[in-house]
Amino acid sequence: EIVMTQSPGTLSVSPGERATLSCRASQSISSNLAWYQQKAGQAPRLLIYGASSRATGIPARFSGSGSGTEFTLTINSLQSEDFAVYYCQQYNNWYTFGQGTKLEIK
Amino acid sequence: QVQLQESGPGLVKPSETLSLTCTVSGYSINNNKYPWGWIRQPPGKGLEWIGSIYYSGSTFYNPSLKSRATISLDTSKNQLSLKLSSVTAADTAVYYCASLGGDCCHDYWGQGTLITVSS
Repeated sequence: EIVMTQSPGTLSVSPGERATLSCRASQSISSNLAWYQQKAGQAPRLLIYGASSRATGIPARFSGSGSGTEFTLTINSLQSEDFAVYYCQQYNNWYTFGQGTKLEIK
Repeated sequence: QVQLQESGPGLVKPSETLSLTCTVSGYSINNNKYPWGWIRQPPGKGLEWIGSIYYSGSTFYNPSLKSRATISLDTSKNQLSLKLSSVTAADTAVYYCASLGGDCCHDYWGQGTLITVSS
């Protein structure tokens, strides 16, 4: 099983600033990585696929990078609607998710 | 517009079998391009893939479920179903049906249904 580890568990950032979230895979997954945003009571929403490609309708302030085992999600100029929980997901061998990073308002 | 809608009992007793159905609208499951499956999320916790199925009938499951899960398709109704046997309190979760394509445009989730395992 491929284990996905996210850090930090909670990130406190002020609106308008930048947030950087990390995700590490226990073995190489090439670029088969997605990032999801989840708000309370809602299903996850796809932000990034292929490690760095934005999904349809996702604002340009969201960007992803990395390959192999180390990945990053960067959110520039944080808006109020961006405060949520973020999950990375590998789909190199079916699916496993990280434990999530809660992005909260500082 | 593609929509997925889960339906289920809400409450299941320990040791019994949980049965869920997902009705897909706006997209035919009668093609083998994308898998259809189930993902769950215990209250306040992260996401866990349960398993997936292709139109061909090929199924794939999370080994951690130790063969308790069975996923099937009913193409005549454009539905997929999940059966999870011998449930315990640890199976209490929001269950999502989902079809994830790993691309820009095929990433569909139901709204989720809460299943509580309790006597």
